[in-house]
Amino acid sequence: KNEVEQSPQNLTAQEGEFITINCSYSVGISALHWLQQHPGGGIVSLFMLSSGKKKHGRLIATINIQEKHSSLHITASHPRDSAVYICAVETSGSRLTFGEGTQLTVNP
Amino acid sequence: NAGVTQTPKFQVLKTGQSMTLQCAQDMNHNSMYWYRQDPGMGLRLIYYSASEGTTDKGEVPNGYNVSRLNKREFSLRLESAAPSQTSVYFCASTLTRATTEAFFGQGTRLTVV
Repeated sequence: KNEVEQSPQNLTAQEGEFITINCSYSVGISALHWLQQHPGGGIVSLFMLSSGKKKHGRLIATINIQEKHSSLHITASHPRDSAVYICAVETSGSRLTFGEGTQLTVNP
Repeated sequence: NAGVTQTPKFQVLKTGQSMTLQCAQDMNHNSMYWYRQDPGMGLRLIYYSASEGTTDKGEVPNGYNVSRLNKREFSLRLESAAPSQTSVYFCASTLTRATTEAFFGQGTRLTVV
């Protein structure tokens, strides 16, 4: 079993829909990262969380440390949101461990 | 612009050849990482350096060596490339644990024939 599990693996939505991507982890962490990878391959950081909730534009990330679970929400989704979304956890020694990613496709 | 600079972007090697991937960050980050990304497997950690002067193995270190040359630079070396090392390689850095986001280089697409 992977230390970081993401669901769903693939997600197709219509423009305007509310989207949720989930991340569960099995180890103690110091922080959790949500990342976005576009078809061109570049990876950018969306959020870094150690507790609670963060919001940036239409993106919201939450984390429940007790349940070892985080969610990434996208409100009013748009085709430009189409990308792979990756959850990563930071453990002791500053080590990052990644989920396999969720491929999101938003159709117009 | 501040960030992580990774070179080269593309490389084709013959089996048995050696090469070094270079990575530099100008954000005064302590921790640096090398990952490989393969279809269907996500990012896997090859080696990391939690701070200047230290390096540690990740999930898939075999066939690779690293050098944390100074606080800015972290290089990845393939001594004798194998087709199984065909992959996309990413360098990343973080300030330290639980304090800041991760920054990634643009990736190196390596093909070993």
